[in-house]
Order: sequence, then C-alpha cells, then structure tokens
Amino acid sequence: AQSVAQPEDQVNVAEGNPLTVKCTYSVSGNPYLFWYVQYPNRGLQFLLKYITGDNLVKGSYGFEAEFNKSQTSFHLKKPSALVSDSALYFCAVRDLGGGFKTIFGAGTRLFVKA
Amino acid sequence: DSGVTQTPKHLITATGQRVTLRCSPRSGDLSVYWYQQSLDQGLQFLIQYYNGEERAKGNILERFSAQQFPDLHSELNLSSLELGDSALYFCASSRTGLDAYEQYFGPGTRLTVT
Repeated sequence: AQSVAQPEDQVNVAEGNPLTVKCTYSVSGNPYLFWYVQYPNRGLQFLLKYITGDNLVKGSYGFEAEFNKSQTSFHLKKPSALVSDSALYFCAVRDLGGGFKTIFGAGTRLFVKA
Repeated sequence: DSGVTQTPKHLITATGQRVTLRCSPRSGDLSVYWYQQSLDQGLQFLIQYYNGEERAKGNILERFSAQQFPDLHSELNLSSLELGDSALYFCASSRTGLDAYEQYFGPGTRLTVT
C-alpha cells in the first residue's frame, strides 16, 4: 500500500537561513510526487511536482525539491527562508500502480522567525 | 485564487441531519476530488470524479455520497451527521484524471456538527 511520511510535525528556522522539510514515501510502482502549501484559513496551493527526469525540481516561490529514488525521499528545500513562508506543508504521492488515489502526508508546520 | 469555488463557506448543523456541499471546478478541469481535513485525521482523500464518472474512492463513509453533474460541478452529500464529521471539506480539481496533473484546491467548507 502506498504511504507518505513527514517525520517532523514542526520545523523552525531563522529568516535568511536555508530550510528543509522532509518527506519519504512508499509505493508499489513509480511515484508521482507533489508538494502543497496551506496558509491559515485557505485551501492547499500547489508548489511543485516530480513526474520524471531531473531529480531536482524547481517550483513556486523559490522552493525546490530533490527526488531520491534509493532513499525514497522527496525533501522540500529553499536556500533562504522568509517569514512569509511560515505555513503548513504537505507532501503527496500518486502511485501509478495504485489506482488514482492521492495520498497526503500529515503535514509539517514551518515557522520562520525574523 | 485557485479558480475552484465551494459553497457554503461555513455550515453549522445538528447531529442526524443531512447537508450538501457544492463545488465548481476551474474552467476546463474535468476531474474533481473531495477531501476531509480534521485535526486528528489530517487530510483524507474521499472520492474522485472524472467527467461525470467515479474514478477513485478513498476513505469515504457509506453515509457520504457524491456526484459530478454534466456541467462538471460536484456535490458532496453527508447524511446522518455525527459530531466526528465536523471538519474542513475541500474540493480540488485537475485538468484531467491523469496522475501527472496537480490539483487546485478550493477554499473549503467548514462543517460544524453540534
């Protein structure tokens, strides 16, 4: 069965420092991987996705993510954090061998301190 | 603004009642997804429709049902409501039902069952 794990409930980082939000996955086939962000009282917004090709994927607002097949990870990164990046981040996976379901991680709350 | 609209924004009702949540996808999107977000369960996939047909089913209770109409809007019906059904319900849409496409989320309907 497919699953997604976000091992950290919360990540704290100072403004200007690099940030990493971790995600690992388990699927039976090849994964499609996504990152979404949720600001307070809003729906989720798409940030970036990995389908195939280059393992480093660039997305919105300066975020990027690295697909690592051997470690089954898809960590979200940003070189320099902004206070406005503070939000809830969700990793999601669609398993090509698992039907059309999208499975979301539990979410990681990012706090960026000025 | 994602282009996905959901009504109503808030809904307060009593246990045992039935409610209908409505979603209009982005213009041109054929696929609609429903999700439930609660503090203890995280973001749970309920069901997906593609061009009027059910495509995938997640953790949707038998008391819940959904449909997608010819104009592509969708409704989620929740009946015999229980206190535990209190949650944020999100609708999302994507261009097709294919796995590679990201989803665009509406602002959500906050359901409170008293």
